[in-house]
Amino acid sequence: GIQVEQSPPDLILQEGANSTLRCNFSDSVNNLQWFHQNPWGQLINLFYIPSGTKQNGRLSATTVATERYSLLYISSSQTTDSGVYFCVPGTSYGKLTFGQGTILTVHP
Amino acid sequence: DVKVTQSSRYLVKRTGEKVFLECVQDMDHENMFWYRQDPGLGLRLIYFSYDVKMKEKGDIPEGYSVSREKKERFSLILESASTNQTSMYLCASSTSGTNNEQFFGPGTRLTVL
Repeated sequence: GIQVEQSPPDLILQEGANSTLRCNFSDSVNNLQWFHQNPWGQLINLFYIPSGTKQNGRLSATTVATERYSLLYISSSQTTDSGVYFCVPGTSYGKLTFGQGTILTVHP
Repeated sequence: DVKVTQSSRYLVKRTGEKVFLECVQDMDHENMFWYRQDPGLGLRLIYFSYDVKMKEKGDIPEGYSVSREKKERFSLILESASTNQTSMYLCASSTSGTNNEQFFGPGTRLTVL
């Protein structure tokens, strides 16, 4: 199956800082999602981005499918951004592969 | 907005009990999924369904069964709960089309004593 490697595994920021999270995956994928899991366990959809670049407020994501990586940019981080970020590639019939994620802590 | 709901947020059961976890989605999605999440092991797929009455095993189906009698509802059944099934259970749904973005429910934290 597809292997997913996310970096860094842990990230600690001061409020207002910018950051980049990276995800490498081992094989071609049909889709790719970024999720934020909040402290209550809810998985929140950030981006559905099999290729290209998307922006949503302070967040943006870029996937370069031919080079098998994706990036999530967080600008002007806030304490509510804390949690675990998952980059999740998937197959054409919807099976997702979750890695270990990046644990983000934003201090006030 | 897509909404996926799960029947309980927290559940405590005894070893040997039969446990039902219910999931309902309101977006007419064809695909539905059950995952469990454990510290250090991440999210793992238990079962999925791509149509009513259809089911496919995921990566860790042992000890579980599922039921999908209606398109909007997907149930996970623990026939005889065991302590190693204590976990966070997450349900998800998606379309079967090109854009098959998955949407997750809030999760059920199950404790088996």
